[in-house]
Amino acid sequence: DARVTQTPRHKVTEMGQEVTMRCQPILGHNTVFWYRQTMMQGLELLAYFRNRAPLDDSGMPKDRFSAEMPDATLATLKIQPSEPRDSAVYFCASGRTDTQYFGPGTRLTVL
Amino acid sequence: GQNIDQPTEMTATEGAIVQINCTYQTSGFNGLFWYQQHAGEAPTFLSYNVLDGLEEKGRFSSFLSRSKGYSYLLLKELQMKDSASYLCAVRERGATNKLIFGTGTLLAVQP
Repeated sequence: DARVTQTPRHKVTEMGQEVTMRCQPILGHNTVFWYRQTMMQGLELLAYFRNRAPLDDSGMPKDRFSAEMPDATLATLKIQPSEPRDSAVYFCASGRTDTQYFGPGTRLTVL
Repeated sequence: GQNIDQPTEMTATEGAIVQINCTYQTSGFNGLFWYQQHAGEAPTFLSYNVLDGLEEKGRFSSFLSRSKGYSYLLLKELQMKDSASYLCAVRERGATNKLIFGTGTLLAVQP
């Protein structure tokens, strides 16, 4: 049963620290998405890739967030420096043509 | 741009039927998805409509009217485990499967 995996599952850090979240998409999926979910804003799209190329990162604060796909099996989302308002659950999802399949998420708390 | 509306909360009784509505406004439409999300978990795919009409999948059905910008998710024979948030998402027209999510409807199933 193929699944999207994400690490770490939980992260607590202090303001100003760098945070890196990792995602392994389902093998064979050519699109990868990063979402952020909070109670106030719901599920927001931060960035997405197709065939490892970034297609849209307009939902991402450019000054502190960066997303990359160094290879087909790894996508990363980095926050530097982190701020308390970045506290949220970050989901990675992958897909092919239609359906997106979500990973379990990384729950980030910035103190 | 996209605008997606769904009720914030709904309550229903075990064994009953509940309909969760979703209306959307979009500049380019290429399908509507419903996801289920239990508290503390990732969204999981429920259904997909791209043409008008009803799609049935077990106890769950989803309906789409493109001319009205309207969809609903119908849950029959409600079970306690159906208590969750239900997310409506619209896919933009284009070469990718980028989704824009609504804020979700929190369904509480009571005995």
